[in-house]
This record gives sequence, C-alpha cells and structure tokens, in this order.
Amino acid sequence: EDQVTQSPEALRLQEGESSSLNCSYTVSGLRGLFWYRQDPGKGPEFLFTLYSAGEEKEKERLKATLTKKESFLHITAPKPEDSATYLCAVYSGSARQLTFGSGTQLTVLP
Amino acid sequence: GAVVSQHPSWVICKSGTSVKIECRSLDFQATTMFWYRQFPKQSLMLMATSNEGSKATYEQGVEKDKFLINHASLTLSTLTVTSAHPEDSSFYICSAVDGEGGSEQYFGPGTRLTVT
Repeated sequence: EDQVTQSPEALRLQEGESSSLNCSYTVSGLRGLFWYRQDPGKGPEFLFTLYSAGEEKEKERLKATLTKKESFLHITAPKPEDSATYLCAVYSGSARQLTFGSGTQLTVLP
Repeated sequence: GAVVSQHPSWVICKSGTSVKIECRSLDFQATTMFWYRQFPKQSLMLMATSNEGSKATYEQGVEKDKFLINHASLTLSTLTVTSAHPEDSSFYICSAVDGEGGSEQYFGPGTRLTVT
C-alpha cells in the first residue's frame, strides 16, 4: 500500500524567510510524485511532477526536488500570496491512482 | 490548457433529496476522471475512478448505490449523491487525466455540498 507523509503539518514564516516542506513516501514502483497547491475552498492547483531521483523543477519561488524516499518543496523568499496548503501525491504502477499526503498548511506573514 | 470545471460550485439541499454534480474537461478529452471528497482541514480521499463508457470503480467503503457516477462522454462525468444526509456534507472535487495512460491529474474547483 502506497503511503505519503508530509511534514510539518503547519508552517508559519515571515515574508522573505526561506524554508522547505517535506514529503516522505513509500510506494511500489513510483511513476510520479506530484506537488499541488490548494487555496481554501478551491481545488488543488498543479505545481510540479517529478519522475526520478535527482530530478529538480523550479517555478518562481518554488523548487521541488526528489530522492528515492522523499521530496522537498523549497520556498525561497516567500510572500504572503504563497500562503496555502501544499499537497504531495504519488502515483505508482501498482495503485494506478494518486495517493495524497495530508498536506502542509503554509502561512506567510507580511 | 488542461482546465477542468465543476458545476455547481456550491449547493444546499434537504435531507432525502438527490444532488447531481458535473465535472467537465474543457480543452482536452479525459478517458479517466476521479472523484474525491475532502473534509475540512483534511486531505483528499479518493471515492471512485470514472472511465468513459464503463462502470466506475469505487474505493472500499464508498457506497456505489449512494454515489452514482456516470461518465457519459470523454469530457463529462457526473456524481449524483442520492438520498443525501447531513453526513454527506463535504467538499467534492473531481479530476481528469489528459489522454490515455497519463498520470497527471488536473483538478476542478470543487463543489461544496451542504445537506440540511
């Protein structure tokens, strides 16, 4: 059974204070690891897909990295508009569906 | 590209009535759509996988007779909550996969259902 654990559950940062969110996973045959952003009352917004260990992707202030056991979402110099819940999900060949972590609720204070 | 819409965005209904939620892929064809349920401050829980032209596959613990899913075309899937009860109140989100064999899911904006 695929498992995804995200930490921390909640994170409060000052504007400009860089940090990282963690996503640890256990899957049989990883076919992709996904990061989504979800604002309150809205559906998840796709951010990144990572397919293999060592892969990195960047988008504005966000950078996602992947190892064989975990993924990090690095946030550089965050702004208040980066406040949201960040969800990590894995897609495996055995499950053929996304398995989500519980998310990290990020709050960036001005 | 890869836009998914849901209708309605919110709905309030009385206990015992049925509610239909539509999920549409606007600019791509989706042979597979997924329906999720999300409770406040919790992550998404997969309810069922909807395949165009065939019966939906439900996750363990999800009542197929209560949550009717119809994937009538490559761009439309519907979820009908039958005989709704207050405990069915939740945020329902659909997603769609672009093309055959794809793994990237694009999510709709969600539907907030409140059963009174």
